[in-house]
Amino acid sequence: GAGVSQSPRYKVAKRGQDVALRCDPISGHVSLFWYQQALGQGPEFLTYFQNEAQLDKSGLPSDRFFAERPEGSVSTLKIQRTQQEDSAVYLCASSPGGIPNQPQHFGDGTRLSIL
Amino acid sequence: KQEVTQIPAALSVPEGENLVLNCSFTDSAIYNLQWFRQDPGKGLTSLLLIQSSQREQTSGRLNASLDKSSGRSTLYIAASQPGDSATYLCAVRRGSQGNLIFGKGTKLSVKP
Repeated sequence: GAGVSQSPRYKVAKRGQDVALRCDPISGHVSLFWYQQALGQGPEFLTYFQNEAQLDKSGLPSDRFFAERPEGSVSTLKIQRTQQEDSAVYLCASSPGGIPNQPQHFGDGTRLSIL
Repeated sequence: KQEVTQIPAALSVPEGENLVLNCSFTDSAIYNLQWFRQDPGKGLTSLLLIQSSQREQTSGRLNASLDKSSGRSTLYIAASQPGDSATYLCAVRRGSQGNLIFGKGTKLSVKP
């Protein structure tokens, strides 16, 4: 597709389970970002990749959160031992990279509910 | 630490009105500023991007201004329509490859 694709769109898990969220960026986009959006709030930065390199993971809330992009395209955000406060929409964004002032393009997000 | 504030949090106007949404940021050392639209259950759609060296950008009925020294941006929507109803988010970028820092958004409702 032409845009950023995220799957699944909705995920319900029991507290303590592990979850994996997938992001397919726009083809050829070098930069990939993950954000977390709580209800009624703006998105908050989690982590950033340039190709396969994770250059910034300062926004990850705990060591239960792990992200990877092994081949520089698809990325997976994994949350281990989920807790209720992990319930949020997880947004992925990509941009061309290397070109100044290019907007970030967002997917529709994965809505995660922890019971 | 950069903080982005948007006021008002919610706004309801009749169709046809011109309106202004406000965004302020605490650290003027930004690379660019971006305005987004978010519809319920959807991701973010980029509306306008203003480079730090620019004062404004226009797209159709939308005009965004940037006053970097005072830490402010405004989004002006002319002749509002019910289809403009959505949440509008402002975000600043720290560096050329940095992440975005968002405000909490303004929820706009345009009544027919």
